[in-house]
Formats: sequence, C-alpha cells, structure tokens
Amino acid sequence: NAGVMQNPRHLVRRRGQEARLRCSPMKGHSHVYWYRQLPEEGLKFMVYLQKENIIDESGMPKERFSAEFPKEGPSILRIQQVVRGDSAAYFCASSLPVSDTQYFGPGTRLTVL
Amino acid sequence: LAKTTQPISMDSYEGQEVNITCSHNNIATNDYITWYQQFPSQGPRFIIQGYKTKVTNEVASLFIPADRKSSTLSLPRVSLSDTAVYYCLVGEGGSSGAGSYQLTFGKGTKLSVIP
Repeated sequence: NAGVMQNPRHLVRRRGQEARLRCSPMKGHSHVYWYRQLPEEGLKFMVYLQKENIIDESGMPKERFSAEFPKEGPSILRIQQVVRGDSAAYFCASSLPVSDTQYFGPGTRLTVL
Repeated sequence: LAKTTQPISMDSYEGQEVNITCSHNNIATNDYITWYQQFPSQGPRFIIQGYKTKVTNEVASLFIPADRKSSTLSLPRVSLSDTAVYYCLVGEGGSSGAGSYQLTFGKGTKLSVIP
C-alpha cells in the first residue's frame, strides 16, 4: 500500500510565477491536510480538505494561496505570484476519519528565487 | 490547544536508552498525547499515541503520569538511524470521535545519536 505521494519533491520558481504542488493521499483516505514548514521550525497547519470540499482553511494566507481536492485526481496546493517568503517545505498528510492518525508525504521543497 | 515544552536537543550514544520528556501543563481532559519523528528532508512519521499510563509498540514506549501534565517518550537502544527531530503533540484525538485535526508542531527535540 503506497504511502502519501507528493510531487514535485523540489520546485524552483522565480518571484511572480505560480507554484502547483500535488498530493495523492494513501489509498482509501479521503481527508487531506496541508502544512508548511519553515527552516528550523515545526509544521504549521494550512488547510483541511475532503473530496470536493474545503473544510477548514484557517491556516492559509488570505491571498495568493488556494487548495482543492477534486473528485478525481490529487489534491493541489496552488500559490500564485510567489514571493521569497513562500520558500518552505510543504507537507501533505492524509487520514481516514477526521482526528485519526495523519500520515505525511515526503514534502515539496519550494525555493523562490 | 495545550502548549508543549520539550528540550531543544539531546545527544546519546548508540545502544543507550533515550528518554525525551514533554511538558503539557494545560492538557485538557479530551486531549491525547502523540509523538512524531521527522528525518531531514522527510515528512513527520507517527510513532506513538497515548492517553494515560503506559503505551508500548514495536518502536517506542510512552509513559504518562497520573496528572498527565507531562509525558516521556522512551526509545530503547538507539542506533544512528534514530537521529531525527521528535515532536510531542497534544490535542483531541484518538482513533474515534471528533477531535482536532490541526496538528500543532513545536520546534521538537533534535536527537543526535553518536557512534
């Protein structure tokens, strides 16, 4: 049973470009969470999604950031007009029912030049 | 959410038992204690979760005193591959029922295992 998959593992963008990060949850998991980790810091919650629904996006910046989890395909975290401060590791996790153990993917490391 | 306090770093020699203590003075009645491990350039990995007394699995043991204001993660006979950051999280959880899905990670404890 494959774990949570994220791609790309590394992403380099110039300021002003768009970044798209993908997450495929574990088989059978319908709950997806996105976290951001700055260097030497712990992970910070961004958004919680179920299929076709955003349940909680309280940790997401109000502008430039959006997330979706369509009926078919992976969850996407989209960052428009990236700035240097967006450089971080972005982790996706998935779970069965909410509050059950969250399993994390390997992360996408975004570098904004 | 209960705030947690754990040492920033610890060193240990291979083969020793390592105990990492986490303080959570404001833990609530419905809160569980969960530990994650994170290797460099990887996502956190669930290690163990408990509510009270002692929990043991194939990887670690978790000791929780009666007042639940602290917990201790015990790693038996560590090896070099146990070098990682260990996070203590407190929040509503468990394997059933509604709870907090917003995992709150602090800075963790950086464990370095020395040959």
